[in-house]
Amino acid sequence: DQQVKQNSPSLSVQEGRISILNCDYTNSMFDYFLWYKKYPAEGPTFLISISSIKDKNEDGRFTVFLNKSAKHLSLHIVPSQPGDSAVYFCAASGWVQGAQKLVFGQGTRLTINP
Amino acid sequence: EPEVTQTPSHQVTQMGQEVILRCVPISNHLYFYWYRQILGQKVEFLVSFYNNEISEKSEIFDDQFSVERPDGSNFTLKIRSTKLEDSAMYFCASTPRGGGANVLTFGAGSRLTVL
Repeated sequence: DQQVKQNSPSLSVQEGRISILNCDYTNSMFDYFLWYKKYPAEGPTFLISISSIKDKNEDGRFTVFLNKSAKHLSLHIVPSQPGDSAVYFCAASGWVQGAQKLVFGQGTRLTINP
Repeated sequence: EPEVTQTPSHQVTQMGQEVILRCVPISNHLYFYWYRQILGQKVEFLVSFYNNEISEKSEIFDDQFSVERPDGSNFTLKIRSTKLEDSAMYFCASTPRGGGANVLTFGAGSRLTVL
């Protein structure tokens, strides 16, 4: 039961261009969404989040867009830099079946080419 | 910046052996979590812990798994009799409060290899 899906296992982008990572969710009870970034041999680190009452949140080069009707969110990185190369996990949080849950997607490996 | 620390970074064990993975959460955090990531797969929730008891666990967290906070600083995950399919990265995380809008701070992970 994949409640949070990242359908692209990998993405390759030229340095300086925009990177767009996508995430879909199935459960309408999710009300908070997060993106985590993970480098090899490290734990996931928080990048940016968005509440379901918003449709956009921006932090520097990173912007997250939420389309509730489509149950879709995306992370835009512009301009992309080599240090952005990492695995990006989308996560959704909410009360599901009587418990607070945080569910991760499978991750997308982003490679920024110089 | 405060961080969650985990030991060991890598453990290799024989199938059927007991393994204890250790975590030191951020000192003023109250909620603790274990997640795991099997190679190439998504990060999966195992268990959450608050006020010295399990608050929630997933179906992965069966009787072979246990958690405890033995001394007020360490938070441990024990696997009683490891199976091949327990091979994964195990991540500890903590938050100062519960609730979905709280950001988990993860440790660097402990890689468990079961032979």
